[in-house]
Amino acid sequence: GAVVSQHPSWVICKSGTSVKIECRSLDFQATTMFWYRQFPKQSLMLMATSNEGSKATYEQGVEKDKFLINHASLTLSTLTVTSAHPEDSSFYICSALGWGYEQYFGPGTRLTVT
Amino acid sequence: GNSVTQMEGPVTLSEEAFLTINCTYTATGYPSLFWYVQYPGEGLQLLLKATKADDKGSNKGFEATYRKETTSFHLEKGSVQVSDSAVYFCALREETSGSRLTFGEGTQLTVNP
Repeated sequence: GAVVSQHPSWVICKSGTSVKIECRSLDFQATTMFWYRQFPKQSLMLMATSNEGSKATYEQGVEKDKFLINHASLTLSTLTVTSAHPEDSSFYICSALGWGYEQYFGPGTRLTVT
Repeated sequence: GNSVTQMEGPVTLSEEAFLTINCTYTATGYPSLFWYVQYPGEGLQLLLKATKADDKGSNKGFEATYRKETTSFHLEKGSVQVSDSAVYFCALREETSGSRLTFGEGTQLTVNP
């Protein structure tokens, strides 16, 4: 139980285009999901907290207009990287808050912007 | 604020060696403590946790004991395997922060046959 999926697992896009990453809780409902960014050989950096039916809460330094988060249902949150540039290339990981306030992590999405 | 400090990596061991990865924390209250493991190209998986002082979390041969007096949560395994090669993250969750996790820097472990 408590499985979280992400799609796509990897994506390559051209500079200036937008890319959407989906995060789904497959066997439980999650009113709260989190989006992290991980640089090579570094820890996870929390980007934002996504709450179903309301606006996401972004961490300091994260551009809201660049990283659009939508949490339209209890099982789906999306992260859209708008006008992507090579410096946005990274590993993006989501997690969903489950029973007992535990975070269950998705497998991650590798984004490469050329 | 809260913080987690892990021993610097990378750590390289031979198969069947004893493993210790140190983790210390700073928190204002009484946090829950976690170890997560990340295999290459994958997301994080919860390895073990402890929610109060003197609790011992264990899973897959790994153990960690919540030591309030030393504010530590060191990860140990008696005999590592090649399949244990991964990045290990120590993390805490403060009661007052709701569900937010604070992660350490991560420690890369490589086990050679």
